[in-house]
Amino acid sequence: QLQLQESGPGLVKPSETLSLTCTVSGGSISSSNYSWDWIRQPPGKGLEWIGSIYYSGSTYYNPSLKSRVTISVDTSKKQFSLKLNSVTAADTAVYYCARLLQITIFGVVTPRYFDLWGRGTLVTVSS
Amino acid sequence: NFMLTQPHSVSESPGKTVTISCTRSSGSIASNYVQWYQQRPGSSPTTVIYEDNQRPSGVPDRFSGSIDSSSNSASLTISGLKTEDEADYYCQSYDSSNVIFGGGTKLTVL
Repeated sequence: QLQLQESGPGLVKPSETLSLTCTVSGGSISSSNYSWDWIRQPPGKGLEWIGSIYYSGSTYYNPSLKSRVTISVDTSKKQFSLKLNSVTAADTAVYYCARLLQITIFGVVTPRYFDLWGRGTLVTVSS
Repeated sequence: NFMLTQPHSVSESPGKTVTISCTRSSGSIASNYVQWYQQRPGSSPTTVIYEDNQRPSGVPDRFSGSIDSSSNSASLTISGLKTEDEADYYCQSYDSSNVIFGGGTKLTVL
């Protein structure tokens, strides 16, 4: 059974860079049927999509975070990673990694839905 | 980008039916599929409806989804409410390659 597991520091200082890794176990990360995404949820608030990466390395980011976000993939380690720089207290959240199922019809890739989520990891931004 | 607006909270009694709305601020609701996710306290979200009205395997048929072009909104309907349905529910759609989530609705079953 494929599983996703987030890992990384639970505490980051303001103005520094938040770095998280998601490890894919029990399956392949190298498939055109999926993108690999990061989503966050501030305490007591709703879900916010951060961005996506395909195994090919193509990335898409939330416009509101784009200037501070980098998502990368290491297929040999079956991991994808998130870096968010210049963090503030507003970046305190539970960070989830998730798999977004895609469908390709006549060469056009269309996203379907998030079919697998990690358990999430709380990252607090504080000095 | 458009926004998806949900009511902050709804409540209903066990055995009854509840409907949660999700209104798209601009562009047609029919332009992009809508998904619904359930998030119980302390847990990750899970999909209850995808592509407007499709249920993943394992989701009971008490859950149904629809879209209404006249109100430019999507709806999640849960019939035969059970206490285990008490959770936050999020609608989600797409704007080009961007993922858009609604603000979430807290369902209380009392």
